[in-house]
Amino acid sequence: ETGVTQTPRHLVMGMTNKKSLKCEQHLGHNAMYWYKQSAKKPLELMFVYNFKEQTENNSVPSRFSPECPNSSHLFLHLHTLQPEDSALYLCASSQPSRDRAWRAQETQYFGPGTRLLVL
Amino acid sequence: ELKVEQNPLFLSMQEGKNYTIYCNYSTTSDRLYWYRQDPGKSLESLFVLLSNGAVKQEGRLMASLDTKARLSTLHITAAVHDLSATYFCAVDGPLRGGADGLTFGKGTHLIIQP
Repeated sequence: ETGVTQTPRHLVMGMTNKKSLKCEQHLGHNAMYWYKQSAKKPLELMFVYNFKEQTENNSVPSRFSPECPNSSHLFLHLHTLQPEDSALYLCASSQPSRDRAWRAQETQYFGPGTRLLVL
Repeated sequence: ELKVEQNPLFLSMQEGKNYTIYCNYSTTSDRLYWYRQDPGKSLESLFVLLSNGAVKQEGRLMASLDTKARLSTLHITAAVHDLSATYFCAVDGPLRGGADGLTFGKGTHLIIQP
């Protein structure tokens, strides 16, 4: 496997279910991200992890719970979701740098996404 | 709050024509990205622009950045059908020495007709 992979690719769940989305990156990056893409809104940042530490939570409801056990893996645990949470959930990774000269290398690479439908 | 506006949001054009997509952002940003998304697919990185006056070209696509005007353009030259996709611009915050989440525009849905 290369790049950023996500499983499952499609998920249908009821509002009382608990499920998890998985993301794995094979690029040797140290930062990982969750984004939400829905039909009615622009792509929205949800969470940022840098060296396994959560550095940003973009006011995401607590029914979404991220987990980053190591720099290569990122999970999004879902529970008691609402129908409006139906969307494409995209994972991304990048290699952050404090050196401005290397900032061009910090492009975020996206996975294929998990299309989630909440009934 | 950082805001990113793209226009147009929808664009239908004929093969062989030239056109420009515009991206305005509201506050100072270190980097501006252009991504492409095909239907049902993920985002593919096209360009990253770092400095005022930066210009990058790949095939029929050329991107430029004016940080003073907080404006980036994506110019399409002699469009071909294969360029049909949704194009997003995105910016991140000031240099914090770490990972920065991106703020995206709504995307420009481009259809190129034979």
